[in-house]
Amino acid sequence: SSELTQDPAVSVALGQTVRITCQGDSLRNYYGTWYQQKPGQAPVLVMYGKNNRPSGIPDRFSGSSSGNTASLTITGAQAEDEADYYCNSRDSSGDPVAFGGGTKLTVL
Amino acid sequence: EVQLVESGGGLVKPGGSLRLSCAASGFTFSNAWMSWVRQAPGKGLEWVGRIKNKIDGGTTNYAAPVKGRFSISRDDSKNTVYLQMNSLKTEDTALYYCTAISPRAGTFDYWGQGTLVTVSS
Repeated sequence: SSELTQDPAVSVALGQTVRITCQGDSLRNYYGTWYQQKPGQAPVLVMYGKNNRPSGIPDRFSGSSSGNTASLTITGAQAEDEADYYCNSRDSSGDPVAFGGGTKLTVL
Repeated sequence: EVQLVESGGGLVKPGGSLRLSCAASGFTFSNAWMSWVRQAPGKGLEWVGRIKNKIDGGTTNYAAPVKGRFSISRDDSKNTVYLQMNSLKTEDTALYYCTAISPRAGTFDYWGQGTLVTVSS
């Protein structure tokens, strides 16, 4: 199955650490990929592979994976990190077909 | 600077057709795998389909909800990718994003700003 499950909403106090998780069978075979989407904007790639950040993504973002779960951790969350976060994974075709339902991160 | 600019969205009746275009610049388009991702109002992201570059065969793959109704094509001479949408349904109403894929990483590296398709009678 290519279904990915995320918690709908997570909150974190400013400057604290938060982990956003994503579960799915495909994550046993493929690393999860993470996208950040702010209101009215297109998604932006923030994490991919084992723990890779595209250029321009702050190093407070990190990724990990275990079993059928991928995680995105923000260490020292900032107000500008408030956004929707979507995980994504490939299926057996190799295409990145599956998105999680998204997690709305609120920074308090 | 990479730019993806979608156009062609609008209001269409159920059963109708629409063709979206995505003009690319700032990278070697002919080498790129391209994809469409959509987002219904207030909802999450949904992969629509993908087209490989010609070197890799130029083949397409589609999500189950659109297979047989949508088709993706490309014109490398115009640095443009298209999404032909036929037999449109109300559930196809969404913001349609054009994306450039990194095939090795399986990531949507670049996104356009999207074009809105509304299917309503």
